Amino acid sequence: AQSVTQLGSHVSVSEGALVLLRCNYSSSVPPYLFWYVQYPNQGLQLLLKYTTGATLVKGINGFEAEFKKSETSFHLTKPSAHMSDAAEYFCAVSSGGYQKVTFGTGTKLQVIP
Amino acid sequence: GAVVSQHPSRVICKSGTSVKIECRSLDFQATTMFWYRQFPKQSLMLMATSNEGSKATYEQGVEKDKFLINHASLTLSTLTVTSAHPEDSSFYICSARGGGFDTQYFGPGTRLTVL
Repeated sequence: AQSVTQLGSHVSVSEGALVLLRCNYSSSVPPYLFWYVQYPNQGLQLLLKYTTGATLVKGINGFEAEFKKSETSFHLTKPSAHMSDAAEYFCAVSSGGYQKVTFGTGTKLQVIP
Repeated sequence: GAVVSQHPSRVICKSGTSVKIECRSLDFQATTMFWYRQFPKQSLMLMATSNEGSKATYEQGVEKDKFLINHASLTLSTLTVTSAHPEDSSFYICSARGGGFDTQYFGPGTRLTVL
């Protein structure tokens, strides 16, 4: 069984401030972990993913996430928020590249000018 | 690369009618396609998984006779909502996997409103 918990359904940051979106996972096998972004009335766009290897993963738009096995976490960060980062972000887990993906409940990021 | 389209983007229909939503992989062959449903302010719930040329596998609680899925080719899957009712109103998103990718790529979604 696998699950994802995203802490904080809403996060507000000032433009230029650090973005930190939290994700904890549960998986009985080594996980594949993903972050997706969804803009209003659109589908999901893959920001980054962790499969194996380097635990710090860099994605698009300046985002990165670090896989911490001891903490079962995969938090998403960006050093400096832009207005265009305002969207909903979903963390997801699967037990392998071709396995079912389970999504978290999402975190809506608001960027304040 | 890895572009997935959906059509229509929005559809409004009367209660009791059927609606078909198309999902296409534009630049790769999608051996597997997924259909999700997203309620307002909620996460994506997987409805079914379809492999090209095979019957779809439905998640528990999803009525297979109501949500008909066809994956007749490596680039096209369709979801037909039969005898739609207002409670079927939702945002339906498809995703596709294949072409050597082990990651799902998502379509832009279809907003269904049943009056």
